[in-house]
Amino acid sequence: GNSVTQMEGPVTLSEEAFLTINCTYTATGYPSLFWYVQYPGEGLQLLLKATKADDKGSNKGFEATYRKETTSFHLEKGSVQVSDSAVYFCALSDVAQGAQKLVFGQGTRLTINP
Amino acid sequence: EPEVTQTPSHQVTQMGQEVILRCVPISNHLYFYWYRQILGQKVEFLVSFYNNEISEKSEIFDDQFSVERPDGSNFTLKIRSTKLEDSAMYFCASSALRTQYFGPGTRLLVL
Repeated sequence: GNSVTQMEGPVTLSEEAFLTINCTYTATGYPSLFWYVQYPGEGLQLLLKATKADDKGSNKGFEATYRKETTSFHLEKGSVQVSDSAVYFCALSDVAQGAQKLVFGQGTRLTINP
Repeated sequence: EPEVTQTPSHQVTQMGQEVILRCVPISNHLYFYWYRQILGQKVEFLVSFYNNEISEKSEIFDDQFSVERPDGSNFTLKIRSTKLEDSAMYFCASSALRTQYFGPGTRLLVL
């Protein structure tokens, strides 16, 4: 079945550091890929998405490129802030239309120190 | 900006009791979902709902669970007889096309 694997956390960085959170997937067909973020005590917020190969999703300084050849969708940010501290989830959906379940990775907890 | 809302934010119940979790999806969305997240674990799909019927359900979604869209705005998840292992955060989501938008969740604690 479809699955998503994220790099193990937790990840701790200093403010202004470069961030990469790795995400790889296994899927049949042509999934859409997503990054969701969960701030402390809150629900899941869509951070960015990509729906086909070579698409780049971006939002709030975060970027991720849909790489079909490596089945990856790594999340990057050039300079992190304390406010980026959260749990980040990579996810895929594998149905082109209609109701489509999301399959999530295990989440990566990110802590940014001032 | 429209958003998915959920009530209550927290619920504590005794084992064996029935609970109903409520969600108001985004108004022009057609697809509705429930997910759960046991503390410290990944988010798991429970059920999807479209055109007033279940589209897909996971192995978790057994006979103790049911979903309903009782009117034009609400979408509910009922657990008939709660177990200790039902303690989790329950998220509702809705979508129009490919992107799902999540509510803030209901934290359910079964004692």
